[in-house]
Amino acid sequence: KAGVTQTPRYLIKTRGQQVTLSCSPISGHRSVSWYQQTPGQGLQFLFEYFSETQRNKGNFPGRFSGRQFSNSRSEMNVSTLELGDSALYLCASSLAGGQSEQYFGPGTRLTVT
Amino acid sequence: AQKVTQAQTEISVVEKEDVTLDCVYETRDTTYYLFWYKQPPSGELVFLIRRNSFDEQNEISGRYSWNFQKSTSSFNFTITASQVVDSAVYFCALITGANSKLTFGKGITLSVRP
Repeated sequence: KAGVTQTPRYLIKTRGQQVTLSCSPISGHRSVSWYQQTPGQGLQFLFEYFSETQRNKGNFPGRFSGRQFSNSRSEMNVSTLELGDSALYLCASSLAGGQSEQYFGPGTRLTVT
Repeated sequence: AQKVTQAQTEISVVEKEDVTLDCVYETRDTTYYLFWYKQPPSGELVFLIRRNSFDEQNEISGRYSWNFQKSTSSFNFTITASQVVDSAVYFCALITGANSKLTFGKGITLSVRP
């Protein structure tokens, strides 16, 4: 079975721009969660989608948004980029969310200049 | 609110040594799940184990073993006969209730020298 895939793997953007990251979960998995990893804050939960609905949300500003499609693929969007948004963005998929094991993709490294 | 503390930040051992990574958690929920993940230099988080709050049995998987003690709110991870390939950052994490939000510790960087 193929693992979680994320595209692109690397991105360089300028302050003020917006960016869209993509995540394809493991086949059969219906829950997709997004995490931000930075050296200062560590790993922080952004949000979770299940069956095209946002089910949980972390403490991030409204500039961070996401969506999930009927095939469970998910996208994450960050608008009006700030330097502090530079991070590794990780996507995780699980069968049903909740306490299920979450399997992570390789991440997208976003650099904001 | 829940919290995971990994007090050790960096550990360096010589190959074949045993090493224990500590994890202490805080939660008021009686139902929760604990996890360990490994993050090699490639960046991908690799799932290692999940343990629920009602199962205090220790678990062994090859060179890996986990010790869960509710009395001390700890879920420690031991690698026996460490190998260079074990070099990575190891994260302990917690989920409470029915939500999917993993609360992670800060991670422990393990370096295994040949």
